[in-house]
Amino acid sequence: NAGVMQNPRHLVRRRGQEARLRCSPMKGHSHVYWYRQLPEEGLKFMVYLQKENIIDESGMPKERFSAEFPKEGPSILRIQQVVRGDSAAYFCASSPRGTGSYNEQFFGPGTRLTVL
Amino acid sequence: EDKVVQSPLSLVVHEGDTVTLNCSYEVTNFRSLLWYKQEKKAPTFLFMLTSSGIEKKSGRLSSILDKKELFSILNITATQTGDSAVYLCALNAGGTSYGKLTFGQGTILTVHP
Repeated sequence: NAGVMQNPRHLVRRRGQEARLRCSPMKGHSHVYWYRQLPEEGLKFMVYLQKENIIDESGMPKERFSAEFPKEGPSILRIQQVVRGDSAAYFCASSPRGTGSYNEQFFGPGTRLTVL
Repeated sequence: EDKVVQSPLSLVVHEGDTVTLNCSYEVTNFRSLLWYKQEKKAPTFLFMLTSSGIEKKSGRLSSILDKKELFSILNITATQTGDSAVYLCALNAGGTSYGKLTFGQGTILTVHP
């Protein structure tokens, strides 16, 4: 059973360009979460999605950032007009449907975004 | 706001030593507390704790939760160089935050041969 897949693993963008980060959850998982890890900081929650729905986007910056998890295909985290401060590791996690009250999340390897 | 504080921030030991990592938290509506190990890439799940006083154990690692005093500890016995990593404690709260994990800043463990 393959784990959570993320691509690309490394992404370099110039200021003002767009970054698209992809996440394929583990097989059978329909809940996806995105986290950001800035240099020398801990993991910070960004957004929680189920198929075709955004459940909690309380950690998303108000501008330039968006996320989707379509019926078919991977979840996408999109950053428009990137700035140097967006340079970070972006991790995706997934959890299975029907976990009830408990939320065990499994993480992907991350995408390291560098903005020049 | 939910909060997680880990201590110590870093720890250096020699192989064979036993270490205890601490995690204290503040939360309005507790659901679970999770421990992860992060090496150079993905955080790897270790334990999920939901009830006080019940020890979870996996090999040389064990963890316990105290919901009255709002803390958890992660013990590693007979440490090995492969245990060197950042250990992350995360809180899952209920209510409108039920999907979100709030992480501590991590404890950097270095095990020397």
